Amino acid sequence: EMELLESGGGLVQPGGSLRVSCAASGFTFSSHAMSWVRQAPGKGLEWVSSISGSGATTDYADSVKGRFTISRDNSKNTLYLQLNSLRAEDTAVYYCAKWYGPNSYKYGMDVWGQGTTVTVSS
Amino acid sequence: QSVLTQPPSVSGAPGQRVTISCTGSSSNIGAGYDVHWYQLLPGTAPKLLIYGNSNRPPGVPGRFSGSKSGTSASLAITGLQAEDEADYYCQSYDSSLVVFGGGTKLTVL
Repeated sequence: EMELLESGGGLVQPGGSLRVSCAASGFTFSSHAMSWVRQAPGKGLEWVSSISGSGATTDYADSVKGRFTISRDNSKNTLYLQLNSLRAEDTAVYYCAKWYGPNSYKYGMDVWGQGTTVTVSS
Repeated sequence: QSVLTQPPSVSGAPGQRVTISCTGSSSNIGAGYDVHWYQLLPGTAPKLLIYGNSNRPPGVPGRFSGSKSGTSASLAITGLQAEDEADYYCQSYDSSLVVFGGGTKLTVL
């Protein structure tokens, strides 16, 4: 069974940093692009970042560009998101998601983790 | 403000048909990008319902269908059931970056 498990969320002060992780199992991790999507309290889904299967290509939403860094370790089947210069508006549940179909962003995200909560507050 | 516009809420009685619209522009849906739909049940992770405008992943009931025309897309749910009460999001691309709609809350009366 394909599974994603996020970890690393927590409470951090404004301006602080955090790294969240996503452990994948049940599929060939290196063959699939991955993304981070967040949902702030009472708000909708917001795409944060994507990375290709090889890790060579990354994209970011304007709201996090220059502050967040997505990466992956295919030898460990793990996806990461480094969050720096955190702001109150970054408070959200962060989901990692797998793209359906090998090496493609075309077919939607078919496997999602349960999410990890990041709270930015003093 | 989301790039893709969805109605905040829709409702229907059990057994009825409801549709949820997703309106974009010439830089996203109208540019030929595909639309995908996700269901968020309370307290659970998002679930892919429709991909590539009208395709259902394995395990998604045939009651769910999708379509796309011009700068808009729609999700239709027929034979509405109580367990369909959830939030629904459309997703497409704008200048090759991922964008979501604002979400629609479906209430089963």
